[in-house]
This record gives sequence, structure tokens and C-alpha cells, in this order.
Amino acid sequence: DIQMTQSPSSLSASVGDRVTITCQASQDISNYLNWYQQKPGKAPKLLIYDASNLETGVPSRFSGSGSGTDFTFTISSLQPEDIATYYCQQYDNLLLFGPGTKVDIK
Amino acid sequence: EVQLVESGGGLVQPGGSLRLSCAASGFTFSSYWMHWVRQAPGKGLVWVSRINSDGSSTSYADSVKGRFTISRDNAKNTLYLQMNSLRAEDTAVYYCARGDANNMDVWGKGTTVTVSS
Repeated sequence: DIQMTQSPSSLSASVGDRVTITCQASQDISNYLNWYQQKPGKAPKLLIYDASNLETGVPSRFSGSGSGTDFTFTISSLQPEDIATYYCQQYDNLLLFGPGTKVDIK
Repeated sequence: EVQLVESGGGLVQPGGSLRLSCAASGFTFSSYWMHWVRQAPGKGLVWVSRINSDGSSTSYADSVKGRFTISRDNAKNTLYLQMNSLRAEDTAVYYCARGDANNMDVWGKGTTVTVSS
């Protein structure tokens, strides 16, 4: 079975900082990876699909990269409204979410 | 407006059953795959099940296989999740979501299921 890990599990950064989250799969999943944002008390929102494609309407400060087993999600300039938990999700074998990374403002 | 509204959650005893519904509006329901995703209190997202646009293909997470059944009624624009043999660990907010086979681009607000005696 594929396992997904994310690091860090949580982070605090200042407004305007560059934030990077990594997601690792236990086996090669090509680019079969999506990223979601979940704000407190809200439903998740799709941000990035197929590892690097920005969903329509999502601000360009969000980006994704990677393939195989190692993936990166980046917020180029952290904004107060980006406070949320971010999840990666693989779809190489059914669907599976990573454990999430909670992002706070310092 | 594209909208998904879940209903049917509640308190149920261990071993009991519950059927969740998800009413879709604002888009052509019969053209999309649909998913159920759950989130236990204070925990992360867990994908539960998916169904293709005409209902002919379904998939389940191992944790619910054999206990949960996903279905849809395209004439009623409604998605269902029949949950049997419920366990305490099934306690969660259950979201329905629209998408394709591999991702979910529109989500409902969720319905809460609590399994407890």
C-alpha cells in the first residue's frame, strides 16, 4: 500500500514569507498528486492538481512541483488568509490524503 | 450556484446503520464522478469512496469496504452513502465532493456522524 508523509506537520511564518511544504510517497506515483487547503471549520478546497497545475481561480502565489516520490507545495508570499491546513493527496492507487501541514502566522 | 448539501448524519449506536444523502445543484450531476471524504474530530482527511458518473463503477477505502455502499440517483441529482455495521472509529464529519476519478473540485459543508452507545 502507498503511504504518504508530509513535513513539517506544522509551521509558523511571517506575512510575506516563502512557505514550503513537502509530501513524500512511499513509491513512485508519477505526477498523480493534488494539494488541498482546509481553513478552520470549512470544507477543503482544491488548489493544485496533477502535481503542478493551478486550479482555476487560485492565486498564483500557490504552486506545486515534483514527480515520482517527492513533491513540494509553495506559498511564495504568505498572506493572513492562507492560515489553514494543507493536504497532499495521491491518486496512483485509489485516493489517499497525506496527514496534513498546519500553517500559522508568526 | 454550484452546491452540494449533505444530510442524514446523527447519533447511532455501534453496529447500527445510517444513510447519508448529498443533494447536488447548479451543475450537470450526471456528468461527474462523486466522492465521500470523512474527517474525524481534530484529525485529517480520509477518502472513503467514489462512484463514476453513471453509477457503474465504485471504489472504497479498505477501512469501509464491505460495510459502506455508495450509490447515486441521477434523476434526483442525489448521492448516497449507506453505512452499516458502524463503529466508533466511523465518527466523523462526512463530506460529499464532486470531481473526476482522481480529484475533488467542489465540496459540501459536511454532515456529522457520531457512533456511540
